Amino acid sequence: IAGITQAPTSQILAAGRRMTLRCTQDMRHNAMYWYRQDLGLGLRLIHYSNTAGTTGKGEVPDGYSVSRANTDDFPLTLASAVPSQTSVYFCASSDQGTGGITFFGQGTRLTVV
Amino acid sequence: SQQGEEDPQALSIQEGENATMNCSYKTSINNLQWYRQNSGRGLVHLILIRSNEREKHSGRLRVTLDTSKKSSSLLITASRAADTASYFCATADRGSTLGRLYFGRGTQLTVWP
Repeated sequence: IAGITQAPTSQILAAGRRMTLRCTQDMRHNAMYWYRQDLGLGLRLIHYSNTAGTTGKGEVPDGYSVSRANTDDFPLTLASAVPSQTSVYFCASSDQGTGGITFFGQGTRLTVV
Repeated sequence: SQQGEEDPQALSIQEGENATMNCSYKTSINNLQWYRQNSGRGLVHLILIRSNEREKHSGRLRVTLDTSKKSSSLLITASRAADTASYFCATADRGSTLGRLYFGRGTQLTVWP
């Protein structure tokens, strides 16, 4: 089934460790996004990429980095995790062909201890 | 913040009743979208309404948009227990990055059998 695959599904991570959240889409969408979802705060954009080779900062980019080497993959890296990065992370994609509709992965639940 | 705001934060109704959720936003938009999130899952797109539209229907869903008041409402008619979920409005700002959305904090809808 076409869509967005995120890995891992959940992770407990020690503070200070490096972690990469993986995201792959098979819909050939140009744009991809990383959001974090925290209780009471809704979804906030971390980083985005309009097309392969380009990335941009969202509302809450500090402590995170992304790369977009190809159309399908958009990994999110936490260089040195801190407890405030405990959250549920969603990867998403969209395209001009979707008319503005954004498709979401199932999320990665990350706990930093 | 450019986030939309949903109202109410939580809504509890009986099966068969109608559920109305409201969303207010702050900026000039290209379109406004509603998403649904079941517990522990990713967001799923429900309906999109463009800035030049006032009302849109999809099955049991009815969305209205009032750009002069910067507000939207989502009506779910004849609700079912399976409609229990969180509902988010999201705005795509005029002139913003392709597909980038600003989400509200959501309304938690509970439909009792």
